[in-house]
Amino acid sequence: GAVVSQHPSRVICKSGTSVKIECRSLDFQATTMFWYRQFPKQSLMLMATSNEGSKATYEQGVEKDKFLINHASLTLSTLTVTSAHPEDSSFYICSAISSVEQFFGPGTRLTVL
Amino acid sequence: GIQVEQSPPDLILQEGANSTLRCNFSDSVNNLQWFHQNPWGQLINLFYIPSGTKQNGRLSATTVATERYSLLYISSSQTTDSGVYFCAVASDSWGKLQFGAGTQVVVTP
Repeated sequence: GAVVSQHPSRVICKSGTSVKIECRSLDFQATTMFWYRQFPKQSLMLMATSNEGSKATYEQGVEKDKFLINHASLTLSTLTVTSAHPEDSSFYICSAISSVEQFFGPGTRLTVL
Repeated sequence: GIQVEQSPPDLILQEGANSTLRCNFSDSVNNLQWFHQNPWGQLINLFYIPSGTKQNGRLSATTVATERYSLLYISSSQTTDSGVYFCAVASDSWGKLQFGAGTQVVVTP
């Protein structure tokens, strides 16, 4: 299957700082990538759809100014959590579509102190 | 939006046992995928199955699109099958997946 990577796998930051998470499709090109968030013992919730060369579309209730998404190439999307607060601590997972199937990155565990 | 319900929420199996996980969805879909989330959080693709039946080793899946449900079968379970199994569906042209709540599977030796 197709491979999606994420970096970093873990990040700990202080409240008020910004954190950037990278998502790469390693062996295919992805015009569309997705960003999900998962809280402990819960399911994945879609945050936004990242489209190469255009603005991201956000799900209802997700603050676009807080979660900045850039999809500058066909293999890279980035999620920046701005002015992070402890309630932003979560597991962030990206995915990309190869053919018709979605493949997921290994996730980034963000802890905000 | 589309609703996805998975059952049972929890399943404890003895090694070697068989099991069936169910996924019901509320509207027609153009994508249905089954995933296994391992203890490190990685989602492993099991099946892309918007309709029909597929088999891969000890796992198989069936989706009856007209009746809006899918089943995942695990045969001769092993301890490495432990984890959370998610069903996810998409009904729009963007491919946005809606996840069910998952089934937590524990296989004991």
